[in-house]
Amino acid sequence: DGGITQSPKYLFRKEGQNVTLSCEQNLNHDAMYWYRQDPGQGLRLIYYSQIVNDFQKGDIAEGYSVSREKKESFPLTVTSAQKNPTAFYLCASSWTGGQPYGYTFGSGTRLTVV
Amino acid sequence: QKEVEQNSGPLSVPEGAIASLNCTYSDRGSQSFFWYRQYSGKSPELIMSIYSNGDKEDGRFTAQLNKASQYVSLLIRDSQPSDSATYLCAVKGSSYGGATNKLIFGTGTLLAVQP
Repeated sequence: DGGITQSPKYLFRKEGQNVTLSCEQNLNHDAMYWYRQDPGQGLRLIYYSQIVNDFQKGDIAEGYSVSREKKESFPLTVTSAQKNPTAFYLCASSWTGGQPYGYTFGSGTRLTVV
Repeated sequence: QKEVEQNSGPLSVPEGAIASLNCTYSDRGSQSFFWYRQYSGKSPELIMSIYSNGDKEDGRFTAQLNKASQYVSLLIRDSQPSDSATYLCAVKGSSYGGATNKLIFGTGTLLAVQP
């Protein structure tokens, strides 16, 4: 079945540590996105990519980095510069061009600072 | 002014009633509108999309769009306890260009269907 796989489901980060969240899709979608969701709040865009080897900052990119070396993969690194990383992280993908399509979301990664 | 606004709720309706969820947006050039359902602790799931003024029905769900009023709504008929979730409105604005599919999300309305 086609879909988006995020791993791990739960992740614990120590102070000063970088961690990488995985996102893989087999939907052949061009675009991929990373969102952060805090309790009781909406989705905030971190980074997005419309094409391989290209990505753009979203609204809250500080303290995060991404890469898009393959169409299927869009990993997110939460660096030590992100001072409040505890949140639910969602990866999504979509087609681009023509009539806009809705996103397909992965199941999410819940990151906690310990 | 937020780009996409929703009442956070909770909206409480009895089982079997019609639930009406509303969303307003600020970009008058917006062309595409989506409704997502998100259960607690889970990821959002796309349930409806609408692009033209008027109503679009899919099973118990009806999306309504009024571009002149910059208003989109979701009606859920015969509400069930399993419909209890947060409903997110998402809009593709005109400022992002034709080749960009970036959506702006509202903060969501929590729906509680009482048995």
